[in-house]
Amino acid sequence: KNEVEQSPQNLTAQEGEFITINCSYSVGISALHWLQQHPGGGIVSLFMLSSGKKKHGRLIATINIQEKHSSLHITASHPRDSAVYICAVRSNTGNQFYFGTGTSLTVIP
Amino acid sequence: KAGVTQTPRYLIKTRGQQVTLSCSPISGHRSVSWYQQTPGQGLQFLFEYFSETQRNKGNFPGRFSGRQFSNSRSEMNVSTLELGDSALYLCASSAGQLAGVSGELFFGEGSRLTVL
Repeated sequence: KNEVEQSPQNLTAQEGEFITINCSYSVGISALHWLQQHPGGGIVSLFMLSSGKKKHGRLIATINIQEKHSSLHITASHPRDSAVYICAVRSNTGNQFYFGTGTSLTVIP
Repeated sequence: KAGVTQTPRYLIKTRGQQVTLSCSPISGHRSVSWYQQTPGQGLQFLFEYFSETQRNKGNFPGRFSGRQFSNSRSEMNVSTLELGDSALYLCASSAGQLAGVSGELFFGEGSRLTVL
């Protein structure tokens, strides 16, 4: 049983396209994170959310606590956005971290 | 401000040996959490420390252990290594009391362990 499900698993887009990655979770949470991992391993935290919506540049993250769902949007995608995007949640019972399997994004020039 | 530093970056061990990995958090951060990443299982939570106390632990056998020192540096140890322990081990630091709740996570580059 996966506490966090992401879709799609793989995504190829043309440069400039609007991209959406979805994350659904089954546990009560205190926080949800969107992470970015480029080839070679390094992970960067993009957003930490507990409600509502956040925006950093071309990236937007939203969360619906009642529906246990979050989305990561990339506007005007660029080849440098090519990476694996991982959704992670912190459960509010036991304080465990659960991770999605990631969405591999390739943006073609 | 220096980022999260993990050492060593790469290491090779044989089955049955033990390994110790180190993580130096960002200055001022008191929370350190550890994760295992493998192609098959993805990212999995190992444990979390705050002010030298283990706050919680993921679903890993007792061969996996850790500690945190008074300067917030943390180490994790894996004893009696198995082939399946080959993985990228990542640590993250956070300013908050509970990593990822009251503070953003900052990850190190990881320690890549190969068990032969």
